[in-house]
Amino acid sequence: NAGVTQTPKFQVLKTGQSMTLQCAQDMNHNSMYWYRQDPGMGLRLIYYSASEGTTDKGEVPNGYNVSRLNKREFSLRLESAAPSQTSVYFCASSEAFGPYEQYFGPGTRLTVT
Amino acid sequence: LAKTTQPISMDSYEGQEVNITCSHNNIATNDYITWYQQFPSQGPRFIIQGYKTKVTNEVASLFIPADRKSSTLSLPRVSLSDTAVYYCLVGDFSSNTGKLIFGQGTTLQVKP
Repeated sequence: NAGVTQTPKFQVLKTGQSMTLQCAQDMNHNSMYWYRQDPGMGLRLIYYSASEGTTDKGEVPNGYNVSRLNKREFSLRLESAAPSQTSVYFCASSEAFGPYEQYFGPGTRLTVT
Repeated sequence: LAKTTQPISMDSYEGQEVNITCSHNNIATNDYITWYQQFPSQGPRFIIQGYKTKVTNEVASLFIPADRKSSTLSLPRVSLSDTAVYYCLVGDFSSNTGKLIFGQGTTLQVKP
């Protein structure tokens, strides 16, 4: 039981390049989330998927797109990376969208030069 | 939108009780309060959650006053392994509005 897994662990991009961050969970959870964490800013919600087939914007969605591929997988895409998107990205999942414990992955450290 | 405020850092000694307070003056009726712990290079880990009054589990207690404008995470008898960053999260799950607001985190340093 791996919990929440994220790939890649590290990535360096040049401005304007695109990439997709992958996230998968094996806990049969209905809800999944993408956060970014910047120094001194805590975690900020980018997008979330309350259930398979739905996605909604969080606090900071600009510059990102998401896909809930199936119940297990939730990907985050940067179409044209910018230096302001340099951050650590965390994926999380929970049993349902509500006051449930969120389980976090190990994070992806992204640097955009 | 509920904004949360926490102390940036706190120091303690092993064996002491530590109380970390989070201020959330604009908390809404449907918001829950959750606390997470994060070690370096790891994702956050759930500690405790509550709506009002007091909640206790095997690792912590959460105190929420009647007006719910703040909450206090209490860690009894801390050890060196409790050195971490602690975040409060105020979340409205009643609608698809994405209102999940983390505080900036409190870095707790436990000394021997």
